Amino acid sequence: GENVEQHPSTLSVQEGDSAVIKCTYSDSASNYFPWYKQELGKRPQLIIDIRSNVGEKKDQRIAVTLNKTAKHFSLHITETQPEDSAVYFCAPRETSYDKVIFGPGTSLSVIP
Amino acid sequence: DARVTQTPRHKVTEMGQEVTMRCQPILGHNTVFWYRQTMMQGLELLAYFRNRAPLDDSGMPKDRFSAEMPDATLATLKIQPSEPRDSAVYFCASGSTGPNNYGYTFGSGTRLTVV
Repeated sequence: GENVEQHPSTLSVQEGDSAVIKCTYSDSASNYFPWYKQELGKRPQLIIDIRSNVGEKKDQRIAVTLNKTAKHFSLHITETQPEDSAVYFCAPRETSYDKVIFGPGTSLSVIP
Repeated sequence: DARVTQTPRHKVTEMGQEVTMRCQPILGHNTVFWYRQTMMQGLELLAYFRNRAPLDDSGMPKDRFSAEMPDATLATLKIQPSEPRDSAVYFCASGSTGPNNYGYTFGSGTRLTVV
């Protein structure tokens, strides 16, 4: 089965700085790479995703990059704001297979 | 926005009692998942269904937990008897196996406390 790791497990940045979270996976068949954000006391929400035929995708201040050869993908947040403080989860999978194993999560704190 | 609805939002119960959590997936979604979240274990998959059929419940303690989908609009997760170690937030999520939408939508969760 898929083995998913995230680094770092915690990250603290000053407001306005950039943050990068990396997700490594083991299943070479994975072809869908999403990131979920979970604010304190709330539900996880999909914030950005990428398919394996694309190397990078951007949506305003967030971006996801994929290195399929090395089996990792990363979440990039630029110009961080206090509302970016949350736990971020990756959940790579092969799309014909529904079962999703979430990474252990990265807790991001943005210091005003 | 379409939502996944979970009830109850909070539940406090005594050890040994039965607990039933309910989930209404988004209309048209054909996959439904139950996750448990604790501080120590992150998001732990308990069971999931595709087109109402249970596909994998290997993450669930079978002696006390059961998951069912009596119809396309309702999924249930039961714990009988409940134990203090079951205290956690239980999330339901739904998704579609359509070709252009692979993300899952989570409900707001049921926070269970077993005393």
